[in-house]
Amino acid sequence: GQNIDQPTEMTATEGAIVQINCTYQTSGFNGLFWYQQHAGEAPTFLSYNVLDGLEEKGRFSSFLSRSKGYSYLLLKELQMKDSASYLCAVRYGGSQGNLIFGKGTKLSVKP
Amino acid sequence: GAGVSQTPSNKVTEKGKYVELRCDPISGHTALYWYRQSLGQGPEFLIYFQGTGAADDSGLPNDRFFAVRPEGSVSTLKIQRTERGDSAVYLCASSRDASSTDTQYFGPGTRLTVL
Repeated sequence: GQNIDQPTEMTATEGAIVQINCTYQTSGFNGLFWYQQHAGEAPTFLSYNVLDGLEEKGRFSSFLSRSKGYSYLLLKELQMKDSASYLCAVRYGGSQGNLIFGKGTKLSVKP
Repeated sequence: GAGVSQTPSNKVTEKGKYVELRCDPISGHTALYWYRQSLGQGPEFLIYFQGTGAADDSGLPNDRFFAVRPEGSVSTLKIQRTERGDSAVYLCASSRDASSTDTQYFGPGTRLTVL
């Protein structure tokens, strides 16, 4: 199978920085996405990585190492509204469109 | 429309009944995806369409599940003889096409409860 592994839960303090890790099987890798999902709502797109390195987008950054099968999502200057589940998803194969999702990391931001 | 829409938002049915779930993708998006999400899990792929044809239906759990997209826009996911294990949130997503770089945008989902 193509397991996507990420921590189940994390807790952080408002204003702090948190890093959410994701590991995946490298064979057939063709891109990695991070989504944010608030309880009872649809996943919303955060970032996309297909090449090694860091992609920065405001308070959120995402890193990819293809050789290690590893990515992380970095959230800076945490706000209470960042409390949500963060989903790591990988696209495998050539032209197939579907994504394989991890179970998500539930982040709780406390004052 | 501005985003992906799904109807109904909630559906409660009895075991053994037939249900249809509708997805209206972002205008102009040729690729459409159905996923299923159970509590505490990530979305699980069911089927994806490129235009009117099902390009990959390998995620459909069994032959009780079927989906159509007759005109290449709106799609309907059909579940026959529903079972309690079918209870989940059914998410629809669309993208401009199915290229490897294209982002999938999700609808709000339909919460299906089978009693």
